[in-house]
Amino acid sequence: DSGVTQTPKHLITATGQRVTLRCSPRSGDLSVYWYQQSLDQGLQFLIQYYNGEERAKGNILERFSAQQFPDLHSELNLSSLELGDSALYFCASSVNPTGTGETQYFGAGTRLSVL
Amino acid sequence: GESVGLHLPTLSVQEGDNSIINCAYSNSASDYFIWYKQESGKGPQFIIDIRSNMDKRQGQRVTVLLNKTVKHLSLQIAATQPGDSAVYFCAESLLNTPLVFGKGTRLSVIA
Repeated sequence: DSGVTQTPKHLITATGQRVTLRCSPRSGDLSVYWYQQSLDQGLQFLIQYYNGEERAKGNILERFSAQQFPDLHSELNLSSLELGDSALYFCASSVNPTGTGETQYFGAGTRLSVL
Repeated sequence: GESVGLHLPTLSVQEGDNSIINCAYSNSASDYFIWYKQESGKGPQFIIDIRSNMDKRQGQRVTVLLNKTVKHLSLQIAATQPGDSAVYFCAESLLNTPLVFGKGTRLSVIA
């Protein structure tokens, strides 16, 4: 168990809908990262938050947004969903803000299916 | 730009043999490298990492080798076991930039 908690584990929805994925980082970790993993693909970095502030942005669509709350949990909001958004979404956390030179610990992921 | 790639998408090894998983990276300035293991239905799990000021680092049954001259990273697993069957990802990073992951190599252990 990595200590990173993601909910829900599975999510099935329809095109055009909006969903929210939740992540609780490991105790003491201030940085949260979101990744998207499509079938048999590597992990694509979406966005990083550190202590409530956006720290880095990757290949995140404008339809997607995220935030980190004062209790350090984070939510990833996906709107106007398309079939191609079906993927595994992972959250990771680490202690420091840079996200480099240190280990990121991953949650078990949320599997999103858009029908 | 930064990119990380893997030479082989799949690797099959006999139980008890050693496994070598390779990774090429393109950014010679990357200063941190990490290997993750992902089992089916689970999130990536940290295996071992190495900084650019090192050539080799050993863990329990695993060794990571870094060859900066040819920008190559490898993961060696000694005495491969069925529980090692998974997809292995390498990732690189450069100061102040997020990790960049490769597409992964699927390791299958034949009993």
